[in-house]
Amino acid sequence: KAGVTQTPRYLIKTRGQQVTLSCSPISGHRSVSWYQQTPGQGLQFLFEYFSETQRNKGNFPGRFSGRQFSNSRSEMNVSTLELGDSALYLCASSLDLSGGYEQYFGPGTRLTVT
Amino acid sequence: ELKVEQNPLFLSMQEGKNYTIYCNYSTTSDRLYWYRQDPGKSLESLFVLLSNGAVKQEGRLMASLDTKARLSTLHITAAVHDLSATYFCAVEKPTGNQFYFGTGTSLTVIP
Repeated sequence: KAGVTQTPRYLIKTRGQQVTLSCSPISGHRSVSWYQQTPGQGLQFLFEYFSETQRNKGNFPGRFSGRQFSNSRSEMNVSTLELGDSALYLCASSLDLSGGYEQYFGPGTRLTVT
Repeated sequence: ELKVEQNPLFLSMQEGKNYTIYCNYSTTSDRLYWYRQDPGKSLESLFVLLSNGAVKQEGRLMASLDTKARLSTLHITAAVHDLSATYFCAVEKPTGNQFYFGTGTSLTVIP
């Protein structure tokens, strides 16, 4: 079956702009999580959605937001971009993040803010 | 906040040798996951450990979980070059719905 897909794969934006990243989970998966990966901070949890509801949110400013649609596809949005937002953004899907199920990761979106 | 520490951060080992990567975490959790990441790639799931004493093996890798000690280990047996990658452990928050990742261990296997 098809894996987790993320679009776009690469993105270059300017400070102050906003960006929307998209994630399509594996068919049948209702949980989608987002992570930010940087060399300095490692892998950090952004938020998790299950059946269109945000169940948990990491320690990120309000500029980071997300949503999930009825088909489980998810988007995350970052407004007023800062240089420090440059990172690899990973999306992961699972049947249910709280159920001990594996997470399957997408290829990521590499965001560069100049 | 749950803290997850891995050591070592960097590991260079010769082919054929054995070694262990350690993952310590700060709060009780019964669920721990190991992932592999190749340079420029995403994360690949290796092991899912869901209870105290759980042990899983796949090829030259074996993972175990001791929830009382809040410790998981990833043991590498007779390393080969193909195992060169960064390995992450991740702990599930006790109340669920959130993972905390370790710092990662960058493994290089040299001939």
